[in-house]
Amino acid sequence: AQSVAQPEDQVNVAEGNPLTVKCTYSVSGNPYLFWYVQYPNRGLQFLLKYITGDNLVKGSYGFEAEFNKSQTSFHLKKPSALVSDSALYFCAVRDTHYGQNFVFGPGTRLSVLP
Amino acid sequence: DARVTQTPRHKVTEMGQEVTMRCQPILGHNTVFWYRQTMMQGLELLAYFRNRAPLDDSGMPKDRFSAEMPDATLATLKIQPSEPRDSAVYFCASGLTLAGENYEQYFGPGTRLTVT
Repeated sequence: AQSVAQPEDQVNVAEGNPLTVKCTYSVSGNPYLFWYVQYPNRGLQFLLKYITGDNLVKGSYGFEAEFNKSQTSFHLKKPSALVSDSALYFCAVRDTHYGQNFVFGPGTRLSVLP
Repeated sequence: DARVTQTPRHKVTEMGQEVTMRCQPILGHNTVFWYRQTMMQGLELLAYFRNRAPLDDSGMPKDRFSAEMPDATLATLKIQPSEPRDSAVYFCASGLTLAGENYEQYFGPGTRLTVT
């Protein structure tokens, strides 16, 4: 079965600095990978996805993620963090071998300090 | 722009009462998911439907929870009887499945349920 790990509960970064939120996954088949962001008292918002093709995926709000098959990772990155990026970030995977189920990671809380 | 809507946004009820949560998926989406979010368990998939048919409800406690799609514009999640441990935020999400493939999901704002 598929699984997702987000090794950091909390990431702190200064405004203007680059940020990375880590995600590793385990699947039997080929992975479909996603990042979502959740602001307080809101639902999850889709940021970006990797299905196939270029390993570097660009998404909303200047975020990007790199698919690394050998390291089974899909880290979320942004070159210059904004205070407004502070939120809860979820990585999710769908294992094509197991149908339509998505599995979400536990989430990483990102705090961007002014 | 198109959004998933959920009602009610907040619900406080007493233990033993029935609770019904409703979701209107994005028009044209044919896949609907129900999730529960708690601090302890994170985001858990309860059930999902495609073309109104339940495909997987293995994450849902069968004795008290039920999920249905009476039509393509309405999904419901019912708890009867409710218990304090059901207190959580319940999210509905919808997506489009084409040729058997489903990609990103779009989430509603959630229903915050408190059972006292």
